[in-house]
Amino acid sequence: AQTVTQSQPEMSVQEAETVTLSCTYDTSESDYYLFWYKQPPSRQMILVIRQEAYKQQNATENRFSVNFQKAAKSFSLKISDSQLGDAAMYFCAYRRGGANSKLTFGKGITLSVRP
Amino acid sequence: NAGVTQTPKFQVLKTGQSMTLQCAQDMNHEYMSWYRQDPGMGLRLIHYSVGAGITDQGEVPNGYNVSRSTTEDFPLRLLSAAPSQTSVYFCASSYFLSSEAFFGQGTRLTVV
Repeated sequence: AQTVTQSQPEMSVQEAETVTLSCTYDTSESDYYLFWYKQPPSRQMILVIRQEAYKQQNATENRFSVNFQKAAKSFSLKISDSQLGDAAMYFCAYRRGGANSKLTFGKGITLSVRP
Repeated sequence: NAGVTQTPKFQVLKTGQSMTLQCAQDMNHEYMSWYRQDPGMGLRLIHYSVGAGITDQGEVPNGYNVSRSTTEDFPLRLLSAAPSQTSVYFCASSYFLSSEAFFGQGTRLTVV
């Protein structure tokens, strides 16, 4: 079974600084997808960034980028120029490619941003 | 574009009561699923569906039923509520199985 591990329950960053959130996963599949979701206090789940396993290039979305290390099964999220609105819970998630694949989530990390 | 609509947003039940959480999407997504979110546990899959008439169990299915009579709707039924079912419930849908999941706003359920 696939597992997703987020070992840090909480992190804090100074506004305008950079922070990296860690995620590791375990799979025997070669075709899969990785995601980072943000959950602000409003409770809404928002997709931050997505990475296809077959792509060697790390995904980037504005201030958000990932460090995808396929051999190490590591998928960390880097937030640059942190803003107060980045304060939220962040979930790493995995989905195998193909039919009937389920989205498996890590336990999440709470990020606080200090003004 | 409404996306994924969940109702209600909040609910308090007494132990033993039954209820249905509603979920509807207007994006013609084939894949729909229900998760529960508990502190320190992340989101855990309850049930999912890959199309109308097809459902399957996820990681924590006990105490819940689902059905998928149409592409748009995927209700979650609590048969006899228990305090252990106190949680935040999310419905999600996606178009391709490899694509991102779109989430409803969640339902906070308290069973007393």
